[in-house]
Amino acid sequence: GAGVSQTPSNKVTEKGKYVELRCDPISGHTALYWYRQSLGQGPEFLIYFQGTGAADDSGLPNDRFFAVRPEGSVSTLKIQRTERGDSAVYLCASSRTPNTGELFFGEGSRLTVL
Amino acid sequence: GQQVMQIPQYQHVQEGEDFTTYCNSSTTLSNIQWYKQRPGGHPVFLIQLVKSGEVKKQKRLTFQFGEAKKNSSLHITATQTTDVGTYFCAGHQRDDYKLSFGAGTTVTVRA
Repeated sequence: GAGVSQTPSNKVTEKGKYVELRCDPISGHTALYWYRQSLGQGPEFLIYFQGTGAADDSGLPNDRFFAVRPEGSVSTLKIQRTERGDSAVYLCASSRTPNTGELFFGEGSRLTVL
Repeated sequence: GQQVMQIPQYQHVQEGEDFTTYCNSSTTLSNIQWYKQRPGGHPVFLIQLVKSGEVKKQKRLTFQFGEAKKNSSLHITATQTTDVGTYFCAGHQRDDYKLSFGAGTTVTVRA
């Protein structure tokens, strides 16, 4: 597609469940970012991929969060044992070049943990 | 760690008036970017500034990067209802892939 695609657009789950959020970046973009945005806040950095490897995962809040990008394109953000505080919009963005280029954001996946 | 702060948090503007929103970083930035997020939407890139003291204009929007590369501003003239949304600044530190966002300035316009 022409833009960054994220699925699902909405996910409601129960506390303690496992969740996967998927991101399909713009074709040819090697840099991929995951951000989390809570209501009234700016995007909070989670993790950055350059190709298949996680170049910076310093934003992952704890070991319940994990992300992969096995073939250097699609990425999956995985959240184990979800907590109510994980509720937020999870944004994926891709960039042609790391460090300097503009980020193209997807529409986000809204996660609600009951 | 790097912190990016924006003021004001909210800006209520009469249509036709001008306003400025400010962005300050606790550390020197290699570049600064501005994004706009409409209600219910996702952040959309507006511009990037790289050079110390750089000024760029996009129609009624003027962006400035401070001489010390630690602050930036966005000035909007003759505000229109289409300017409604939240404006975020975001910066990279040198050799850091992480783009850190401020909390944003949410703009509402009175017709």
